[in-house]
Amino acid sequence: QKEVEQNSGPLSVPEGAIASLNCTYSDRGSQSFFWYRQYSGKSPELIMSIYSNGDKEDGRFTAQLNKASQYVSLLIRDSQPSDSATYLCAVKGLTGGGNKLTFGTGTQLKVEL
Amino acid sequence: SAVISQKPSRDICQRGTSLTIQCQVDSQVTMMFWYRQQPGQSLTLIATANQGSEATYESGFVIDKFPISRPNLTFSTLTVSNMSPEDSSIYLCSVSRAGGQETQYFGPGTRLLVL
Repeated sequence: QKEVEQNSGPLSVPEGAIASLNCTYSDRGSQSFFWYRQYSGKSPELIMSIYSNGDKEDGRFTAQLNKASQYVSLLIRDSQPSDSATYLCAVKGLTGGGNKLTFGTGTQLKVEL
Repeated sequence: SAVISQKPSRDICQRGTSLTIQCQVDSQVTMMFWYRQQPGQSLTLIATANQGSEATYESGFVIDKFPISRPNLTFSTLTVSNMSPEDSSIYLCSVSRAGGQETQYFGPGTRLLVL
């Protein structure tokens, strides 16, 4: 079982729709969860971080965390063509002194006009 | 966040040679990391660069192949030694102001092609 799992996609949504990206993780001791966006040929940029169960909203983005189910998701409301990118889920567990960030393989999102 | 720069931004190298990649941060940070992203793949942690001591390498990565230096809290280098085409990848520097829940930010990356 991979430590952090994501559906590779591509996930295609029409402009203005809600995009839902999902991620599961295996380490029950994981404490911190991050979503990064990576445009083709660019480095990852942080979108959201979440540490507690529940929802966290920032503009059009909402991160959801359920530690009991070992599940974290990212919702993008009013999707725009500029949101088309690969979204990487990253998890910090207890290994590496709590400093090691483990990435999923990423989900490619395509927002269509 | 932190402003991170990497040099070179890209390079084409011959097999058997070595390349040193530099990472510079605009302010002092506690943690510095080096990642590799192979074509079409996600990010894999190579090592944690420790200031004033030897780097901590992840499974599958060794110091002889990827020597790392971190002379101070704003600078680190990664050398890719005795390169082969399998080393063609994007190498990314990442920093965090502290450990634990602190966010990691990424530099622009170095795109390496080994012929």
